[in-house]
Amino acid sequence: QQQVKQSPQSLIVQKGGIPIINCAYENTAFDYFPWYQQFPGKGPALLIAIRPDVSEKKEGRFTISFNKSAKQFSLHIMDSQPGDSATYFCAASIGDNAGNMLTFGGGTRLMVKP
Amino acid sequence: NAGVTQTPKFRVLKTGQSMTLLCAQDMNHEYMYWYRQDPGMGLRLIHYSVGEGTTAKGEVPDGYNVSRLKKQNFLLGLESAAPSQTSVYFCASSYSRGTRLFQPQHFGDGTRLSIL
Repeated sequence: QQQVKQSPQSLIVQKGGIPIINCAYENTAFDYFPWYQQFPGKGPALLIAIRPDVSEKKEGRFTISFNKSAKQFSLHIMDSQPGDSATYFCAASIGDNAGNMLTFGGGTRLMVKP
Repeated sequence: NAGVTQTPKFRVLKTGQSMTLLCAQDMNHEYMYWYRQDPGMGLRLIHYSVGEGTTAKGEVPDGYNVSRLKKQNFLLGLESAAPSQTSVYFCASSYSRGTRLFQPQHFGDGTRLSIL
C-alpha cells in the first residue's frame, strides 16, 4: 500500500517550461515533506523540503506548494533546463526515535528538451 | 569526504546464491538505512539501524538480513537469492533528529543486482 501517491510517472517539457509534479498523502502523522532528485546511475539527493505549517517554499528555481487540508503537495520547476532532466521523488517523513523515516512516492521521470 | 559508499556497484547472481552488500559512511551518522528501488514503486525501506549493534525491520524485510557491527558500516545480506530480489539497492545514512524537525538522508550511488 503506497501511502504517498505521485503523478505523473513521466513528464516531457520544453526548455523554459514549468513542469509540475504532484503528490498526495494519507497519513496525517507525516511531519516533513522532502523532494529528492536522482540522476541516472546516482543515488537520490535532497532537493528541497517543507514543513506542513508552511504553504510555499522556494529555493532557486524550485518551489514546493503545500495544501495541508487537501493533503497534497507539489513541486514546480521554473525556467526548466535540460540539466533538470532527472527522476524526482516526493517523500513524507515521520520523525520518531528511529530518526526521520521516509515514505517515498513512485517517482516522476522528467525530460526537458532543448 | 566520500559520503556514502556502496560495494559492489553491479552483481549478477543465480537463484539460491548468497551475497552481502556493503555500505560505508564517513559522516559519523547514527542512522543507516537500506532501500530497494523498483520501477514505479519509489524506494522502499528494507531494514534500518539507529546505532551500532541495533537493527530493525522496514517495509519489505523478507529475504534480507542486516548487521551493523561498526557505526560506519551497514551490511545487507541475501541468504538465498530469488529473482524477485532483482532490484537497485540504495544505502542511506543520517544524523539523529534530536530537536530538529528533519535530518536529510544521504544516499550512496546504489548496487544493481540481477538474480537469474
